Amino acid sequence: ETGVTQTPRHLVMGMTNKKSLKCEQHLGHNAMYWYKQSAKKPLELMFVYNFKEQTENNSVPSRFSPECPNSSHLFLHLHTLQPEDSALYLCASSSKPGGGTEAFFGQGTRLTVV
Amino acid sequence: QKEVEQNSGPLSVPEGAIASLNCTYSDRGSQSFFWYRQYSGKSPELIMFIYSNGDKEDGRFTAQLNKASQYVSLLIRDSQPSDSATYLCAVNPYSGAGSYQLTFGKGTKLSVIP
Repeated sequence: ETGVTQTPRHLVMGMTNKKSLKCEQHLGHNAMYWYKQSAKKPLELMFVYNFKEQTENNSVPSRFSPECPNSSHLFLHLHTLQPEDSALYLCASSSKPGGGTEAFFGQGTRLTVV
Repeated sequence: QKEVEQNSGPLSVPEGAIASLNCTYSDRGSQSFFWYRQYSGKSPELIMFIYSNGDKEDGRFTAQLNKASQYVSLLIRDSQPSDSATYLCAVNPYSGAGSYQLTFGKGTKLSVIP
């Protein structure tokens, strides 16, 4: 399998639930990213990891907790979310962070918070 | 605040015509520029990237970059209905100082009319 794979593709969760989004890349990239895409809004960068180290956190609320155990896997742990957190969450990877190379995206997880 | 501006559209063109998509950016130090295509409910897919001033052609697509004017565009020749999608402009201000953020515009929705 190649590319960037995200699971699950769809998730419905209550505000008191705890869930995790998973991302796996088979491209040998060093950097991985979480983006959020809300309806009618641009892509918002949430977190960046380079060689498993978090290098950017764009003022994301603590109810979103990323984890990067290795360069191929990235998780986003969710707890006590709000309805306004409903969005498409996209994982991406690139060969080196911001190094003039493009990002490849996973298929996304469509999250609905009820 | 680094910004990337795009006309949200919708931009409607007849089949076979040239579609012209425009993007301006605020960070004069930006180094790399990308065009992504996003079909409804899908993740963004890279279609073009450009680093140097001038034109870059790939099949029916031509990217144009003018760093002095902080302007990048995408031309789609012989537009097809399958080109109907939202086109996202992305700018990478990487300067070697550890800036990893890929900033996206809101996207322009293109509709190719048969």
